[in-house]
Amino acid sequence: EDQVTQSPEALRLQEGESSSLNCSYTVSGLRGLFWYRQDPGKGPEFLFTLYSAGEEKEKERLKATLTKKESFLHITAPKPEDSATYLCAVSSNTGKLIFGQGTTLQVKP
Amino acid sequence: DTEVTQTPKHLVMGMTNKKSLKCEQHMGHRAMYWYKQKAKKPPELMFVYSYEKLSINESVPSRFSPECPNSSLLNLHLHALQPEDSALYLCASGGWDNQPQHFGDGTRLSIL
Repeated sequence: EDQVTQSPEALRLQEGESSSLNCSYTVSGLRGLFWYRQDPGKGPEFLFTLYSAGEEKEKERLKATLTKKESFLHITAPKPEDSATYLCAVSSNTGKLIFGQGTTLQVKP
Repeated sequence: DTEVTQTPKHLVMGMTNKKSLKCEQHMGHRAMYWYKQKAKKPPELMFVYSYEKLSINESVPSRFSPECPNSSLLNLHLHALQPEDSALYLCASGGWDNQPQHFGDGTRLSIL
């Protein structure tokens, strides 16, 4: 069965304290892994797509990486405005998006 | 600003009312989706339209009725909803050929 697990569920960081979010997946025929950011009361905002092991994408303080079993979202020197829920999702042979439960990040000044 | 627009942003309705949620995208995407999201949970897929035809119905109760009038518009007709249907309803488009889905900001629905 296709499955996505994110850890930790919640993460509190001080401003400037770098860390990583994990997304482990089991899927039959990975077609893509997607990272989204969701602010309270808003829809998920697309961040990155990764398609194959070894691939990396960067945007400002965020860097996403992919292996055959997991993906990491690295946050370097985070700021309070990076506080949000980060969702990982995979697209399998069915074409559906399978979401993890999300990691809620709080960055304190 | 998102490229997928949903209206209304908020909706309060009684269990006997009939209302509709609307979604519009102008990105030329051929697939559109409805999701339901409860607090502190990920989005749950409800329906998928591909080339204006319903391709996936995730066993959603018949009190939810989707409609795709054209390639840019997606509606969700609501009738006789239950209090447990209160949630954020998200529309998305894209996802074709392994491309990402893009979400609107949703309609916050409250059933009295």
